[in-house]
Amino acid sequence: DSGVTQTPKHLITATGQRVTLRCSPRSGDLSVYWYQQSLDQGLQFLIQYYNGEERAKGNILERFSAQQFPDLHSELNLSSLELGDSALYFCASSPPAGGVKGAQYFGPGTRLTVL
Amino acid sequence: AQKVTQAQTEISVVEKEDVTLDCVYETRDTTYYLFWYKQPPSGELVFLIRRNSFDEQNEISGRYSWNFQKSTSSFNFTITASQVVDSAVYFCALVKTSGTYKYIFGTGTRLKVLA
Repeated sequence: DSGVTQTPKHLITATGQRVTLRCSPRSGDLSVYWYQQSLDQGLQFLIQYYNGEERAKGNILERFSAQQFPDLHSELNLSSLELGDSALYFCASSPPAGGVKGAQYFGPGTRLTVL
Repeated sequence: AQKVTQAQTEISVVEKEDVTLDCVYETRDTTYYLFWYKQPPSGELVFLIRRNSFDEQNEISGRYSWNFQKSTSSFNFTITASQVVDSAVYFCALVKTSGTYKYIFGTGTRLKVLA
């Protein structure tokens, strides 16, 4: 158990809908990262937050948005969902200043299925 | 352009054999990080190592070792005396650290360790 929690574990929804994925980092970690893993695109980095501020942005679509709240949990919002958004979404956290050699700790993932 | 190539799509070895997973990267940046992650059949992602572009020292952690060579733009990962529990997909990633962080993942190498 990495200490990072993600909810829900599974989500099934329809095209055009909007969903919110939630991530709680390990206690003390300030950074939160979001990744998407799909059969088509492989593993992709979406976005990183550090203590509430956006730190890095990857291949995140405009239909997607994220934020990190004062209690450091993060939410990834996916809207106008398309079939191609079906994927496993991972959240990871890391300690301040990169911790021990830049370690990242991953949650179990949320599997999103868009029908 | 930045790119990470894991040319080995799938490798099968017999338990106790040594195995090396190759990772070749392309970048024009002088400062970057290289990562290895493991994804066992259960699906979670596990961080293995982060290496700074300025640190070419090889790293050993138990049965795992990493060989970073800037001259050949490679960051190879060796598992000594492989075990069935090492069966997983292994991803190499490059993170550009100047300006906007950008994470580039390889397509992964599936390692099967047979008993």
